Amino acid sequence: AQTVTQSQPEMSVQEAETVTLSCTYDTSESDYYLFWYKQPPSRQMILVIRQEAYKQQNATENRFSVNFQKAAKSFSLKISDSQLGDAAMYFCAYRHNNNDMRFGAGTRLTVKP
Amino acid sequence: NAGVTQTPKFQVLKTGQSMTLQCAQDMNHEYMSWYRQDPGMGLRLIHYSVGAGITDQGEVPNGYNVSRSTTEDFPLRLLSAAPSQTSVYFCASSTTSGRAWSYNEQFFGPGTRLTVL
Repeated sequence: AQTVTQSQPEMSVQEAETVTLSCTYDTSESDYYLFWYKQPPSRQMILVIRQEAYKQQNATENRFSVNFQKAAKSFSLKISDSQLGDAAMYFCAYRHNNNDMRFGAGTRLTVKP
Repeated sequence: NAGVTQTPKFQVLKTGQSMTLQCAQDMNHEYMSWYRQDPGMGLRLIHYSVGAGITDQGEVPNGYNVSRSTTEDFPLRLLSAAPSQTSVYFCASSTTSGRAWSYNEQFFGPGTRLTVL
């Protein structure tokens, strides 16, 4: 079974600095999709960024970017110019097809002013 | 658009009671799913549906039933609640258009916090 591991239960970053959240996954598939979701205290799950495994180019969405290493099965999230509003739980997720989506246990990000 | 709505927001049940968690979406999405979120474990897929009349099991389906009679609604039924079902439940939906619709963004509801005593 596919598993997703987030090895950092908690991370903190100074406002305006850069932070990287780690994610590794286990799969025997070659075609799949990876996601980062943000969950603020409101509990709402919000898509931050996503990546198709067949694309070598790393996805970027404004201050958010990923480092996708397919051979290493690694999918880290970099947040640049961190803002107070970035404080949240961040979940890495893997999806192979329509009937499954696996989430990691999450990383709690604190942003210090 | 209201997006994905869930009711109730909070619920307390006694062991053995039954109840239905409601989920509705107004985006005409074909795919709908239910997840549970437990502390330290992320979200786990319970059941999903790719259209009206079609449902299937996810990773943790035991103790839960679903049906999909309309595109808009996807209720989750607990037939006999157990303390192990204490969790936060999320409903999500997405379109199935596109070549690789597993890549499509899933839109989540606000969640239902369920406590079973």
